[in-house]
Amino acid sequence: DQQVKQNSPSLSVQEGRISILNCDYTNSMFDYFLWYKKYPAEGPTFLISISSIKDKNEDGRFTVFLNKSAKHLSLHIVPSQPGDSAVYFCAFLAGTASKLTFGTGTRLQVTL
Amino acid sequence: NAGVTQTPKFQVLKTGQSMTLQCAQDMNHEYMSWYRQDPGMGLRLIHYSVGAGITDQGEVPNGYNVSRSTTEDFPLRLLSAAPSQTSVYFCASSYVDGTQYFGPGTRLLVL
Repeated sequence: DQQVKQNSPSLSVQEGRISILNCDYTNSMFDYFLWYKKYPAEGPTFLISISSIKDKNEDGRFTVFLNKSAKHLSLHIVPSQPGDSAVYFCAFLAGTASKLTFGTGTRLQVTL
Repeated sequence: NAGVTQTPKFQVLKTGQSMTLQCAQDMNHEYMSWYRQDPGMGLRLIHYSVGAGITDQGEVPNGYNVSRSTTEDFPLRLLSAAPSQTSVYFCASSYVDGTQYFGPGTRLLVL
């Protein structure tokens, strides 16, 4: 029973353009939504989050959108930079702060 | 402030051997968790703790034990290693808001 889906395993975007990463979920109990970025041989690093009472949160080049009725979460990166090339995981929280449910990840490659 | 530290970085075990993966954090976080990452499967929760002396099972707890005697440390024990436990293991800690901070990982190979 996969509660979180990242349907695009990989994405290639030109430098300067917008990158859009998507996540769909089924569990309506999720109340806090996060994006993590992971480089090879490193642990995931927190990028941006949004609570269930909001539909948008912005931090510099990164914006997260939440559509609760569609159970859809997205991350927009604009403009994309080569240093953004990494694997991006969406993660969801329901209840205790210790239990994140992760998507399978999308590998973003930003090309010159 | 080192954040979350994990040792060892890499380990090779033979089937049936036991070992402990160490995790420590210096941010005074109450919440700590262990995840494993396998290709194509994202990160899956093994065990977690909401404070010293309190632990609970996550999604994939079989074959692993944990204890939390102090706020800072959260070791993960493999009781009898199996090839299916070959994976990358991440420890994380967080405040109550749920934003988890991860260690650099331990890469485990079980032969």
